[in-house]
Amino acid sequence: AQSVTQLGSHVSVSEGALVLLRCNYSSSVPPYLFWYVQYPNQGLQLLLKYTTGATLVKGINGFEAEFKKSETSFHLTKPSAHMSDAAEYFCAVSDTGGFKTIFGAGTRLFVKA
Amino acid sequence: EAQVTQNPRYLITVTGKKLTVTCSQNMNHEYMSWYRQDPGLGLRQIYYSMNVEVTDKGDVPEGYKVSRKEKRNFPLILESPSPNQTSLYFCASSLRQGERSPLHFGNGTRLTVT
Repeated sequence: AQSVTQLGSHVSVSEGALVLLRCNYSSSVPPYLFWYVQYPNQGLQLLLKYTTGATLVKGINGFEAEFKKSETSFHLTKPSAHMSDAAEYFCAVSDTGGFKTIFGAGTRLFVKA
Repeated sequence: EAQVTQNPRYLITVTGKKLTVTCSQNMNHEYMSWYRQDPGLGLRQIYYSMNVEVTDKGDVPEGYKVSRKEKRNFPLILESPSPNQTSLYFCASSLRQGERSPLHFGNGTRLTVT
């Protein structure tokens, strides 16, 4: 069965600093991986997705993630944090057949001025 | 505007009083799903539907019912709510069942059962 582990329920960075949010997955088949962002009082929005092909995936708002099969990781990064990036971020994997999308527990990102 | 609309946004009710949370999407999506979000647990799937009249249980279906009589609507029904169903609920849809289709989410319904 697939599962997703996000390391760190809270991450705090200074404005302008590198953002790194960690995600590891387990899957017996090639996974389809997603990052979603949730702003306060809103639903989740897709940041980026990995299906096949290039392992470095670019998303919206300057975020990107790299799929590393050998490490079963899909970490999310952004070179320079902005105050508007403060939100909760969820890593997710889609199961074979697409019946279910399994979410990690989420990482709340705080950005300090 | 393409969107998933949930109503109500906030709901306070008492134990045992039946309630329905509505969900509607205007994107002609085949796949729809309900999730609940609880602190430290992320999102857990309650039920999903692959198309009209086709529904199946997710990971936490106990105490919930759904129906899919029309493609655009996927209501969530709590026949006899209990306090452990106090949570934030999200409806989501995607173009079709499939590993590559991302989910589009509604803005959530915060339910409190006293």
